[in-house]
Amino acid sequence: AQTVTQSQPEMSVQEAETVTLSCTYDTSESNYYLFWYKQPPSRQMILVIRQEAYKQQNATENRFSVNFQKAAKSFSLKISDSQLGDTAMYFCAFMKHAGGTSYGKLTFGQGTILTVHP
Amino acid sequence: EAQVTQNPRYLITVTGKKLTVTCSQNMNHEYMSWYRQDPGLGLRQIYYSMNVEVTDKGDVPEGYKVSRKEKRNFPLILESPSPNQTSLYFCASSLRGIYGYTFGSGTRLTVV
Repeated sequence: AQTVTQSQPEMSVQEAETVTLSCTYDTSESNYYLFWYKQPPSRQMILVIRQEAYKQQNATENRFSVNFQKAAKSFSLKISDSQLGDTAMYFCAFMKHAGGTSYGKLTFGQGTILTVHP
Repeated sequence: EAQVTQNPRYLITVTGKKLTVTCSQNMNHEYMSWYRQDPGLGLRQIYYSMNVEVTDKGDVPEGYKVSRKEKRNFPLILESPSPNQTSLYFCASSLRGIYGYTFGSGTRLTVV
């Protein structure tokens, strides 16, 4: 079974600065997908970024980028130029790439609460 | 608008009184799933479905039932709710899973 660990329960950052959220995972699979989801106080779950394990290049989406270290099983999220609207809980998630039922199984970490201060 | 619709948004009920939380998606997605969110535990999967009439257990299925009679609907049924099922519940859907899931807005359930 896969496990996902987010070791930082809470983080804070000043507006306009950069912050990195950590995520590690444990799996014996070689092909998989990793995701970061954002949950603002509205509690809506929003997909932030997605990484395919067989791609060496780190994914980026505007101010959000990842540092994917496959050998270390690490998948951190970097938020640049932090904005007040980035205040949210962030979840890291893992999915096997094996077709069929594996696409129904998304395993989440415990979450990191990020607060952006003005 | 493409979305996953859950109802109700809030629900308070008593122990043992059967309830159903509805979930509907308008994106013709194959995959649908139910999660519960509890502090310090993240989201844990209850059940998922790959298509009509195809469902499977997630990590915490005890005390829950699901059905997928139509592609768009995936209701969550609590036959005899107990206080330990007090939680925030999310329904989610995806075309193929690997592109990520679209989530509903959540149902806050309290069982007293």
